[in-house]
Amino acid sequence: GAGVSQSPSNKVTEKGKDVELRCDPISGHTALYWYRQSLGQGLEFLIYFQGNSAPDKSGLPSDRFSAERTGGSVSTLTIQRTQQEDSAVYLCASSPGQYNEQFFGPGTRLTVL
Amino acid sequence: KQEVTQIPAALSVPEGENLVLNCSFTDSAIYNLQWFRQDPGKGLTSLLLIQSSQREQTSGRLNASLDKSSGRSTLYIAASQPGDSATYLCAVKSISGQNFVFGPGTRLSVLP
Repeated sequence: GAGVSQSPSNKVTEKGKDVELRCDPISGHTALYWYRQSLGQGLEFLIYFQGNSAPDKSGLPSDRFSAERTGGSVSTLTIQRTQQEDSAVYLCASSPGQYNEQFFGPGTRLTVL
Repeated sequence: KQEVTQIPAALSVPEGENLVLNCSFTDSAIYNLQWFRQDPGKGLTSLLLIQSSQREQTSGRLNASLDKSSGRSTLYIAASQPGDSATYLCAVKSISGQNFVFGPGTRLSVLP
C-alpha cells in the first residue's frame, strides 16, 4: 500500500514569508509525528498527534510554528515569518498507534534565503 | 529526560565483515526501541522494532537485541555489503513521554 507522503519535496522561500508543509499519513494510522533535521544534526521532535488532537507540542521551537490535523488524516505544519535558521528537512512519520512502529515520509527540504 | 547516544559515530569496514552498532539510553522505562537506516538525502526506513518485553528481533541479516535494565541495544549486521552503507539511527519510546527520542546515528561505510 501507499506509504507516508509529504509535499512539497523542496521549498525555497524568502525570509519573512509563511510556508505550509503537508503530510499524508498511511491510511488508518492514528498517530502522526513531525520532526526536523538540520544539516548534520540529529532528528528534533516537533509535535505529536493522536487522532486530531496534539497531546505533545513540546518540541515546537517558537510560536511561529503551528500544526494541525484534520479528519484524523492529513496534517499541515505552518511556519510563519520564516527565518534562515528554519532551513532544514522536515520529516513526518505515522504509526498505527503511539506504541507501534513509525513509518517515515521522504521529507520536505526547506531553504530560507 | 530521556537521552540516547550511539557509538561509534562513524564506522568503515570491508565488505563481508560482521559488525555491531550500539545504542544507549538513560531511562530504562521504555515501551519500545526502533532501529532505522537513513540514506543521504532520504527519509528514514524502519529496520526493526523491539518491544520492551522482548530481548531481540531478527530480519534477514539484521539482529537487534535489547537489554532494558542496562539501557542498551545493539544492532548486529552479518556479512555486510556496500548497499548497507547508510546512517543507522535508534529511537526510544519512553513511558514518561509521548514522543520517540532519537540518537545521533552511526554513519556506516562498507567498502567493496
